[in-house]
Amino acid sequence: ELKVEQNPLFLSMQEGKNYTIYCNYSTTSDRLYWYRQDPGKSLESLFVLLSNGAVKQEGRLMASLDTKARLSTLHITAAVHDLSATYFCAVSTSLTGNQFYFGTGTSLTVIP
Amino acid sequence: DTGVSQNPRHKITKRGQNVTFRCDPISEHNRLYWYRQTLGQGPEFLTYFQNEAQLEKSRLLSDRFSAERPKGSFSTLEIQRTEQGDSAMYLCASSRAREGYTFGSGTRLTVV
Repeated sequence: ELKVEQNPLFLSMQEGKNYTIYCNYSTTSDRLYWYRQDPGKSLESLFVLLSNGAVKQEGRLMASLDTKARLSTLHITAAVHDLSATYFCAVSTSLTGNQFYFGTGTSLTVIP
Repeated sequence: DTGVSQNPRHKITKRGQNVTFRCDPISEHNRLYWYRQTLGQGPEFLTYFQNEAQLEKSRLLSDRFSAERPKGSFSTLEIQRTEQGDSAMYLCASSRAREGYTFGSGTRLTVV
């Protein structure tokens, strides 16, 4: 079974600081997704990464994918309070078909 | 289109009762998924439909769980003889082909 690990699980950071969330997965993947979840709410799609070396940026968030290392990163630049949420990565492969395997999530708290 | 709609938003039931949840996907999405999310965890795959056909089922989907998508549009997830361990957020998502999912707001089930 494909395993997806995120670290850190909890992250508290001050506004204006930079940080990176890591997502490792156990088998070859051809698609990786990042989602955001606010407390009690559903998941909001942030990024879809489709190939090795893919990099996508939206505002203060930038995601990258290294399929050889089986690693994706979500980099936060100059954090603001509105970014406080739980961030999930999810992986699917041609072998897993239509299932997404989610990481356990990283709970981010940005302190003013 | 207003996105993926799930009803009810919250359900409290007594142990042993049956419950049914409904999901209305985005109309042009032929793929529909059910996931379960417990506190502090990422979503776990339950089942997948392509049009009206249920093509994949997780081992998590015990014989007390049944899902249908009778006309390839909305879907229902029924849990019979609920147990306390069934308490979770049940998330529905839809997509086209292998694109990223659009999630609904979820149904939070509490079994007392």
